[in-house]
Amino acid sequence: GQSLEQPSEVTAVEGAIVQINCTYQTSGFYGLSWYQQHDGGAPTFLSYNGLDGLEETGRFSSFLSRSDSYGYLLLQELQMKDSASYFCAVRDVSNYQLIWGAGTKLIIKP
Amino acid sequence: GAGVSQSPSNKVTEKGKDVELRCDPISGHTALYWYRQRLGQGLEFLIYFQGNSAPDKSGLPSDRFSAERTGESVSTLTIQRTQQEDSAVYLCASSLRENTEAFFGQGTRLTVV
Repeated sequence: GQSLEQPSEVTAVEGAIVQINCTYQTSGFYGLSWYQQHDGGAPTFLSYNGLDGLEETGRFSSFLSRSDSYGYLLLQELQMKDSASYFCAVRDVSNYQLIWGAGTKLIIKP
Repeated sequence: GAGVSQSPSNKVTEKGKDVELRCDPISGHTALYWYRQRLGQGLEFLIYFQGNSAPDKSGLPSDRFSAERTGESVSTLTIQRTQQEDSAVYLCASSLRENTEAFFGQGTRLTVV
């Protein structure tokens, strides 16, 4: 079976850098994705790592290491608007179903 | 349409009544997902469609829940004899089979009173 683990909550200070980790147990997947969800809103796609290494998109970066079954989302120059829940997800190779982590609530303090 | 559309956006129903939730995915997206999200919680998988087939129904919480998809397009999630515990936001998402990015609708907020 597939499972992904993330911390339930992370707290950081405005302007700082924060890393949200995602560890997984899976028999095969098509890469790791990250989604952001603000309170009351729908999840929106942030990034995708199909290969090992770092992907950068503006203030957000995402990393994947298949050998370590580990990935992370890095948010730099935190802004109050980054306060949201962040979900990691993988697509199962056997049936293309998306498997989701439980989400990490990011709390940003001024 | 340009995005995933769900209707109604809000639904208040009396305990014991049946409800139908609708999802219009992005045109051409063969994969469609239904999730339930309770306040402050993560995404609870309900069912996944590939085309009109549902290879994985394991997430449906009880036999009161059913879903169908027709024409590789619209999907309907039906909850029979609603209970207060069914109150949640029901989210629909679609994606291309080979593309990992999923696009979500704004959800249907269901309140059972």
